[in-house]
Amino acid sequence: KQEVTQIPAALSVPEGENLVLNCSFTDSAIYNLQWFRQDPGKGLTSLLLIQSSQREQTSGRLNASLDKSSGRSTLYIAASQPGDSATYLCAVRFGGTSYGKLTFGQGTILTVHP
Amino acid sequence: GAGVSQSPRYKVAKRGQDVALRCDPISGHVSLFWYQQALGQGPEFLTYFQNEAQLDKSGLPSDRFFAERPEGSVSTLKIQRTQQEDSAVYLCASSLILSQETQYFGPGTRLLVL
Repeated sequence: KQEVTQIPAALSVPEGENLVLNCSFTDSAIYNLQWFRQDPGKGLTSLLLIQSSQREQTSGRLNASLDKSSGRSTLYIAASQPGDSATYLCAVRFGGTSYGKLTFGQGTILTVHP
Repeated sequence: GAGVSQSPRYKVAKRGQDVALRCDPISGHVSLFWYQQALGQGPEFLTYFQNEAQLDKSGLPSDRFFAERPEGSVSTLKIQRTQQEDSAVYLCASSLILSQETQYFGPGTRLLVL
């Protein structure tokens, strides 16, 4: 079964810290992997999309890496801010489908306190 | 331009009632997805449309769930004879084409079945 797992389930850090969120997936045959942010009562906002041929993507203070062979991805957030507080979701488009069906992890709830 | 919109944003139903949830995707987007997100979990795939064709409904949890997209734009997810376990946030997402593009998510409809 194709599954996505995220650890930790929750993380609380003081403002300014660098932090890493982890995502693992069970099947290395993937098309791409995305990291999303979800704020309470809101939809999902795509942060970074890594294609299967790529090793990492960067956007501002965010950096996501992908290691297909080990079935892992990390999201690195530099110099965290209270506004980064949200749920972060990892989603994988596994191979075997001709369209973009995503399989999500359960999310990491991040709290950055001043 | 406008993003994906969903209505209603909140719905309270008595057990046994039928409900209809609406999704307006981004204009011109070919692909449309429905996901179900239980409290504290990541979204789970329900069904996929390519234009008006429903190509995958493998994620629908029971035959009480029905989705349609008759003109290839607006989609409706209908749940018949709602049960308490149907309580969740229902997310709609759309993407322009079938390839590896990111999906754009709506804010979701929060359904509570009493």
